[in-house]
Amino acid sequence: GAGVSQSPSNKVTEKGKDVELRCDPISGHTALYWYRQSLGQGLEFLIYFQGNSAPDKSGLPSDRFSAERTGGSVSTLTIQRTQQEDSAVYLCASSLGSAGAVGTEAFFGQGTRLTVV
Amino acid sequence: GESVGLHLPTLSVQEGDNSIINCAYSNSASDYFIWYKQESGKGPQFIIDIRSNMDKRQGQRVTVLLNKTVKHLSLQIAATQPGDSAVYFCAENKDDYKLSFGAGTTVTVRA
Repeated sequence: GAGVSQSPSNKVTEKGKDVELRCDPISGHTALYWYRQSLGQGLEFLIYFQGNSAPDKSGLPSDRFSAERTGGSVSTLTIQRTQQEDSAVYLCASSLGSAGAVGTEAFFGQGTRLTVV
Repeated sequence: GESVGLHLPTLSVQEGDNSIINCAYSNSASDYFIWYKQESGKGPQFIIDIRSNMDKRQGQRVTVLLNKTVKHLSLQIAATQPGDSAVYFCAENKDDYKLSFGAGTTVTVRA
C-alpha cells in the first residue's frame, strides 16, 4: 500500500502474555518511529530507527519493551509480560530521512489498539 | 524539562468561522515544528510545518504562525468545516529526529 500499515489494528491480550506489533513503513523511508498514545493523551516517543539500527531507544518504558527492524523495512515492537498500564494505541511512523530535514515529515499508520485485561 | 504544550484542551467553533489553535514550546533550540490532525480511530495526519527561519507559512485554508520571541506557535484554519473536527497536535523537532508532541486540542465544529 501507499501508506504506513500496522497490524493488528486491535489486540486484546491477557495480563502476563507477550504481544508483537507490526509496522510496514512506506517503501523507501529510512526512518521509522514508534509512539504510544494513551487515552486522551499526546504521543509518547518510544524508539527511533534509521535503517536497521536504533540510535535512540530512550523512550522504551521498561525492559519488557523491545523493537527490531529488519531489511530496513518492517519493524516489530514486542511487549513481554504485558501489564494493564501497557494498554494504549501504539503508533508507527516513517519518513524519508530523520524528521526535521526538508520534506521529511513523518507519516503515521492508523495504530494498534492494545488492551490488556 | 523541555515540553510542547497547547493552551486549551478543547475548542468549539461555529461552522464557517476561523479557528485558532495555540501551542507554547519551551525549547528555544528547536528549529522545526509541525501541526498534525488526528481524527477518531486514525493516526495523526500531517497538516503543515514551519522552520524556525520563518514566522509564517500558508497552506490550503491553514496558516501556521511562529513567534520565536515568546516561543509560541499557532494554527489558523479558515472557514472551519465539519470535517475539521479532530484533535490537533503541535510537534517540536528535538535532536534532529525526535518529534515531541503536546497533549492536543480537540476542535468541535458546530453546525
